[in-house]
Amino acid sequence: DGGITQSPKYLFRKEGQNVTLSCEQNLNHDAMYWYRQDPGQGLRLIYYSQIVNDFQKGDIAEGYSVSREKKESFPLTVTSAQKNPTAFYLCASSIAGKNYGYTFGSGTRLTVV
Amino acid sequence: GENVEQHPSTLSVQEGDSAVIKCTYSDSASNYFPWYKQELGKGPQLIIDIRSNVGEKKDQRIAVTLNKTAKHFSLHITETQPEDSAVYFCAASIIRYSGGYQKVTFGTGTKLQVIP
Repeated sequence: DGGITQSPKYLFRKEGQNVTLSCEQNLNHDAMYWYRQDPGQGLRLIYYSQIVNDFQKGDIAEGYSVSREKKESFPLTVTSAQKNPTAFYLCASSIAGKNYGYTFGSGTRLTVV
Repeated sequence: GENVEQHPSTLSVQEGDSAVIKCTYSDSASNYFPWYKQELGKGPQLIIDIRSNVGEKKDQRIAVTLNKTAKHFSLHITETQPEDSAVYFCAASIIRYSGGYQKVTFGTGTKLQVIP
């Protein structure tokens, strides 16, 4: 079955550490996205990519970095520069250049310890 | 930029009753309006969508209406069941030119509780 897989489901980060969240899709979607979700809030866009080897900052990119070396993969690194990283992170994909819905992964819950 | 407001933030209904969630948007260029359901600890799932050239769309117990003039759209769930309990997000989407970036703005979510 086609879908989008995020790992790990839970992740704990110590102060000053970089951590990388994985996102893989087998839907043949060109566009991929990373969102951050805080309790009781909507989804805020961190980064997006419409094509391999190209990505753009979203609304809250500071303290995060991404890469898009393969169509299927769009990993997100939460760097030590992100001062409040505890949140639920969602990866999504869609058909690029068209108005269609997103397919979301099941999310990664990141906690700073 | 686009601004999407969603109301109410929480909604409790008795099983079997109807639930209505309303959203307004600000950019008249928005032309696609999806709705997502998010269960606890999971990612959102697309449940229904509507395009700007359509006023209403129905899928079994779920329907969505769109009023372009007033810039608002609504989700209607009839005969609610306990499994409908979740957080629902509306969204407004724009593609300004063919092949361009799909800019999606989400509402802040409605937590629906269906009481058995």
